[in-house]
Amino acid sequence: GAGVSQSPSNKVTEKGKDVELRCDPISGHTALYWYRQSLGQGLEFLIYFQGNSAPDKSGLPSDRFSAERTGGSVSTLTIQRTQQEDSAVYLCASSLARALGEYFGPGTRLTVT
Amino acid sequence: QQQVKQSPQSLIVQKGGISIINCAYENTAFDYFPWYQQFPGKGPALLIAIRPDVSEKKEGRFTISFNKSAKQFSLHIMDSQPGDSATYFCAAKIAGGGADGLTFGKGTHLIIQP
Repeated sequence: GAGVSQSPSNKVTEKGKDVELRCDPISGHTALYWYRQSLGQGLEFLIYFQGNSAPDKSGLPSDRFSAERTGGSVSTLTIQRTQQEDSAVYLCASSLARALGEYFGPGTRLTVT
Repeated sequence: QQQVKQSPQSLIVQKGGISIINCAYENTAFDYFPWYQQFPGKGPALLIAIRPDVSEKKEGRFTISFNKSAKQFSLHIMDSQPGDSATYFCAAKIAGGGADGLTFGKGTHLIIQP
């Protein structure tokens, strides 16, 4: 079956611009996660959704980051006023339930110039 | 504070040999321990996972050994093949509650020499 899909696969943006990253989880998966992967920081957890609700947003790096999920399916991660330190691969994962395995998408490589 | 420590950073193993990667965790509330395999340009792929009520889990050539008292777990890859060359990450999560995702180790770059 179809896995987690993310778009765009690559995004180059200028410092100060806003970007929106999209995640389509595996159909039926109620739990959705965003992570960031960079050389310096490794794999970092950003935010978790159960359905459309994110119980804890403290993992987001700054108030420039926001995320939402609608219809218990698609999620978007928005970064406002991008900075060079935001350059990383942003990964989305989903699972049938929180206690079960997380399946990752291919990621969006974000480059801020 | 690094909650999951992974070693070694890199590992070279001959084809047919056993690859062993180790992880240690600090948070005793962790109750789910997966291993992921990642190829360049791809997202991490779930390989195998274990919960603390068992000491070992085997799936094909991949085995997780878990030592709850020592707060350590390891991945063994038997009969290692060149196609296993990838970066491997251990991770941990409080699956039974909370709102956090996985806490990852820093990764091990594995090279299997033909």
